[in-house]
Amino acid sequence: SAVISQKPSRDICQRGTSLTIQCQVDSQVTMMFWYRQQPGQSLTLIATANQGSEATYESGFVIDKFPISRPNLTFSTLTVSNMSPEDSSIYLCSVRGGMTGELFFGEGSRLTVL
Amino acid sequence: AQSVAQPEDQVNVAEGNPLTVKCTYSVSGNPYLFWYVQYPNRGLQFLLKYITGDNLVKGSYGFEAEFNKSQTSFHLKKPSALVSDSALYFCAVRDSNSGYALNFGKGTSLLVTP
Repeated sequence: SAVISQKPSRDICQRGTSLTIQCQVDSQVTMMFWYRQQPGQSLTLIATANQGSEATYESGFVIDKFPISRPNLTFSTLTVSNMSPEDSSIYLCSVRGGMTGELFFGEGSRLTVL
Repeated sequence: AQSVAQPEDQVNVAEGNPLTVKCTYSVSGNPYLFWYVQYPNRGLQFLLKYITGDNLVKGSYGFEAEFNKSQTSFHLKKPSALVSDSALYFCAVRDSNSGYALNFGKGTSLLVTP
């Protein structure tokens, strides 16, 4: 299984600001996924980030609000832009763990927007 | 389209008793099914998966799950619950015809009482 590190683990942010979350994996991976877990909710896929190509966003998520970078096979960032209290969530980075497709997750980044 | 349902928000069981956490799914192709556990303030941990083969799948921490194609279910089970099993459990599905991102259920909170 991959070891996934996310930074920051938690942060409190002011409305209107932006925050970038980093995801570092201990091995090279083709696909990385960013999920959001709103309070008391399940996980919702934000986007799929493949190295060397633009991220693919799910319905309801747009690049202007959640820009993603994927500069190499072990690293990705997700920015939450112009934050509002509705963006208060846990943001999770995940990678595919093999041919059968289980995903492995980082510990998550818990954002609180005031 | 693919979806997964966890009909119970919470399951309560006494320590030492068997536990079952229910999951049903809907996919257009062949299902790939997964269970994850989330402890407070932690990321998701992979428990087990069904891809093909035996309908009874064994995973981490003594958990197992039974795939039932006719009932489109993949219930998580454990013969003897521990207090330390108390956590949030997520069922997830991927369609063999779709990409590698997983679609998660809403989660079931398991409470094991001494």
